[in-house]
Amino acid sequence: NAGVMQNPRHLVRRRGQEARLRCSPMKGHSHVYWYRQLPEEGLKFMVYLQKENIIDESGMPKERFSAEFPKEGPSILRIQQVVRGDSAAYFCASSPRRTSGRNYNEQFFGPGTRLTVL
Amino acid sequence: RKEVEQDPGPFNVPEGATVAFNCTYSNSASQSFFWYRQDCRKEPKLLMSVYSSGNEDGRFTAQLNRASQYISLLIRDSKLSDSATYLCAGDRSNTGKLIFGQGTTLQVKP
Repeated sequence: NAGVMQNPRHLVRRRGQEARLRCSPMKGHSHVYWYRQLPEEGLKFMVYLQKENIIDESGMPKERFSAEFPKEGPSILRIQQVVRGDSAAYFCASSPRRTSGRNYNEQFFGPGTRLTVL
Repeated sequence: RKEVEQDPGPFNVPEGATVAFNCTYSNSASQSFFWYRQDCRKEPKLLMSVYSSGNEDGRFTAQLNRASQYISLLIRDSKLSDSATYLCAGDRSNTGKLIFGQGTTLQVKP
């Protein structure tokens, strides 16, 4: 059973370019979360999505960042006009989001995409 | 005050030692808590969920104290391979949004 998959693993962009990060959740998981980890900082929540719906985007910067999880295909985190401060590791996690039982909301992380902005 | 706080360490312990980490949280509405392990430049890996009744998995024991708003992780008989950063996380008000602490670094020495 494949885990959470992310690609690319490493992405280099110049300032002003666009970055597209992809995430395929674990089989059977319909809830996807994106987190960002800046160098020497903790993991920060960005956005929570289900298929075709954004559930919570309270952690997303107001400009340049967007996320989607279409009916078919992976979830995409898109960063337009990247700046050096966007350099970070971006992790995707998925969960089955069971609403009862002891394993409520256990999230499993993908290997991350390391974005470097030159 | 941060919503989830951990002592960053590092904790340097010899092999075979018992080590305990605490993590405090400020949002009393948080329902679910988790411990993750993160190796350098890798993704967080779920170590264990934390239940009010406490739970144990081999050498690892997790406890939740709702009255004092902290969770703990106890590692017995430390191995060199336990060296990593340990992250605690709470699910803010069951929103699905995990709030992570800064992590506690453990170094197990031979």
